[in-house]
Amino acid sequence: AQSVTQLDSQVPVFEEAPVELRCNYSSSVSVYLFWYVQYPNQGLQLLLKYLSGSTLVKGINGFEAEFNKSQTSFHLRKPSVHISDTAEYFCAVTRTNAGGTSYGKLTFGQGTILTVHP
Amino acid sequence: GAGVSQSPSNKVTEKGKDVELRCDPISGHTALYWYRQSLGQGLEFLIYFQGNSAPDKSGLPSDRFSAERTGGSVSTLTIQRTQQEDSAVYLCASSLGRQGNTIYFGEGSWLTVV
Repeated sequence: AQSVTQLDSQVPVFEEAPVELRCNYSSSVSVYLFWYVQYPNQGLQLLLKYLSGSTLVKGINGFEAEFNKSQTSFHLRKPSVHISDTAEYFCAVTRTNAGGTSYGKLTFGQGTILTVHP
Repeated sequence: GAGVSQSPSNKVTEKGKDVELRCDPISGHTALYWYRQSLGQGLEFLIYFQGNSAPDKSGLPSDRFSAERTGGSVSTLTIQRTQQEDSAVYLCASSLGRQGNTIYFGEGSWLTVV
């Protein structure tokens, strides 16, 4: 089974400051990794995903994440945040399947609420 | 529409009543998922449909919960004899069903049991 730990439940930052949201995972098999964002009263939107290849993944809205296999981490970063980045961020994993069909079942972390102050 | 559509967006029901929540996935998506989001529990997997395969029901919390997917498209999540602890946002999602494909979420159905 997989598990995901988001180390910070809340992260307050000032506008234009850099931010890092931390995510660690545990799995006995290979995984795919995802970051989703949820704005107030909305569904989840994919920010970025790591499947294979380069460990630095770039996503939408200027976010990026780095997969670190040895540390089983997938931290999300943005060099300069905006007020509009205020939202809840979820890290998620799903196991890979050599047969090609997605298992689909995402295991989510508990979420990190990012609040950007002016 | 272009995205995953869920209805109703909000539902208030009395304890003990049955409710049905509907999900219309993105056209052509063979995989469909239901998740539940509640305070203190985060996002929980409920059930997963993939094409014509038997669904993965391993996340359903009790036998009061069931789901079906008709014609490989629309899905209905049914909760029988609702309890207050069923109050949550029920999120539906869909994908093309191949590994690594993006899973797209609907905006959810907010269920309140009073």
